[in-house]
Amino acid sequence: AQKVTQAQTEISVVEKEDVTLDCVYETRDTTYYLFWYKQPPSGELVFLIRRNSFDEQNEISGRYSWNFQKSTSSFNFTITASQVVDSAVYFCALSGGTSYGKLTFGQGTILTVHP
Amino acid sequence: GAVVSQHPSRVICKSGTSVKIECRSLDFQATTMFWYRQFPKQSLMLMATSNEGSKATYEQGVEKDKFLINHASLTLSTLTVTSAHPEDSSFYICSASTGPSGNTIYFGEGSWLTVV
Repeated sequence: AQKVTQAQTEISVVEKEDVTLDCVYETRDTTYYLFWYKQPPSGELVFLIRRNSFDEQNEISGRYSWNFQKSTSSFNFTITASQVVDSAVYFCALSGGTSYGKLTFGQGTILTVHP
Repeated sequence: GAVVSQHPSRVICKSGTSVKIECRSLDFQATTMFWYRQFPKQSLMLMATSNEGSKATYEQGVEKDKFLINHASLTLSTLTVTSAHPEDSSFYICSASTGPSGNTIYFGEGSWLTVV
């Protein structure tokens, strides 16, 4: 069975602060894929990143960066210099290699960025 | 890029009636689509895997006779909530992908269902 844990239910920061959202996963698959999605109040899921299990390179995209560590089964997401528009619910998700597309989601982290 | 479209985005129906939600892959063929449900302030939970030309595979605890899934073509899957009740009020969202070689898993815009 697969499991994704986002221990932080809610995070509140002031604009321009850096914030890290934690994600820990469990899977028995040797090949798997990790995702981060942003969900604004309107409900749609905005894709942020996909990382496969054999690529542990960290990635940076503008103010966003991701740290993937297989040794600790973690895939953490950092927003640098947060902005009010970053306020949303963020989900970490996992898809096994044998059933690609079938996602197990974490509980989500509500991020509120105050001006 | 690949796009998944879902319709309707919002629907209100009376208790006891049925409502159909459509999920279309607009520019790629999807042999498999997935349906998720999200209750307020909760995470997304997989309801079922929709397989083109065959029966859907339902997750444990999901009533297959209540949530009818039809995947009659490579670009369309439908979810019908039958005999809807207020507790079925939720956000329903579908997804599809072009497989691991593709960039990502694409989600529809989601459908807000309110049963009154």
